[in-house]
Formats: sequence, C-alpha cells, structure tokens
Amino acid sequence: GAGVSQSPRYKVAKRGQDVALRCDPISGHVSLFWYQQALGQGPEFLTYFQNEAQLDKSGLPSDRFFAERPEGSVSTLKIQRTQQEDSAVYLCASSLWDRGLETQYFGPGTRLLVL
Amino acid sequence: GESVGLHLPTLSVQEGDNSIINCAYSNSASDYFIWYKQESGKGPQFIIDIRSNMDKRQGQRVTVLLNKTVKHLSLQIAATQPGDSAVYFCAENAGGTSYGKLTFGQGTILTVHP
Repeated sequence: GAGVSQSPRYKVAKRGQDVALRCDPISGHVSLFWYQQALGQGPEFLTYFQNEAQLDKSGLPSDRFFAERPEGSVSTLKIQRTQQEDSAVYLCASSLWDRGLETQYFGPGTRLLVL
Repeated sequence: GESVGLHLPTLSVQEGDNSIINCAYSNSASDYFIWYKQESGKGPQFIIDIRSNMDKRQGQRVTVLLNKTVKHLSLQIAATQPGDSAVYFCAENAGGTSYGKLTFGQGTILTVHP
C-alpha cells in the first residue's frame, strides 16, 4: 500500500517568498505530525493534528508558520515570508490512531532551501 | 559539501560484524522508544520499538535494549550488511501527551564496509 507522500520534494525560495508544503498521510490515519530536520540533526516536532483538529502547535518556530488539515486527511504546512534559517527538510508522519504507543510512518520530506 | 558528518557520532564496521548503536535519552517519564533508520534523501524508516515496561525486544536481525536506571537505549544489529549503512536515530515519547509527540536524539552514522 501507499505510504506517506510529500510534495514538492525540493523547493527553492527567495527570502521573503511564501511556500506551501503538502503531505498525504496513509489513508485512514488519524494522527498527523510535522517535523523540521536541520542539516545533521534529528527531526524536531512542529505540530500535531488529530483528524482535522490541530491539538498541538507548540513546536512552530514563529507565527510565519501555519499548518492546516481541513478535511482530516491531506495537510499543508505554509511558511510566510521565508527566511534563510527556515532552510531544512520538512517531514510529515502519520499514525493510525491517536494513542502515544504506536508507530509513526514518515514521508520522504520536502527539502526547502531559502536563498 | 555537506557537513552532516562532522557533528554526528560515527560507527564503522565490516560486513558481517555485529553493530551496537547507543543512545542516552533525557526524560525519565518517557514511556515509548523507537529506533529509526534514515538513508540519504529519505525520511526516517521505523526499525523497532520498545515500551518502558520492557527491557529487551528482538526483531529480525535487530535487538533493542532499554536501561531505565541510566536512561540508556541501544540498538544491536546482527550480521551487519552494506545496506544497513545509514543514520540511526533513537526517539522517545516523552509523555505528557497522549498522541506520541516524539523527541529525537542526534543520530549516529553507521558505515558498513564490504
């Protein structure tokens, strides 16, 4: 079956540009997570959705970052007025339910480069 | 070139050797731990997990050991193969949430020489 997919895989943006990153989780998965992975580091939590509800956005680095999952399936992470420090790989993960003790399946990530 | 290798611990082994990758976690309240493998240009891939009420779990060619006393996690890979070369991350569900918000360690680069 299909895993988590993300698009675009690569994105180059000029500083100040807005970008939108898409995540298609595994069909039927309740939970969806966004993580940010800087070069040479482990992923860091950004935000969490349970179906369409955004229950935790404590990891979003600034109010330029916004995420949504309006129908409880596809999610979009939007970054407004991109800065060079936003350059990273943005990973999406999903899990079947909303219990903590279960596997999160990751997508391939979107590599964002802000010039 | 990329500097990713300059800041991560590295482990270099010969094909067929056993590998042990270690991880120290930070939160004594963590109740779930996972090892992920990440190849270049790909997302993290689940390897094995363990709950805090266990101290050992075995999978295919992999074993995870959990020592809660010293907050230490290890991943053992038997008969390491060149395809095992990747960055390995431990992750913990630090508790406090019901939905599995993960905190990742820094990662270890494993290189397997044929």
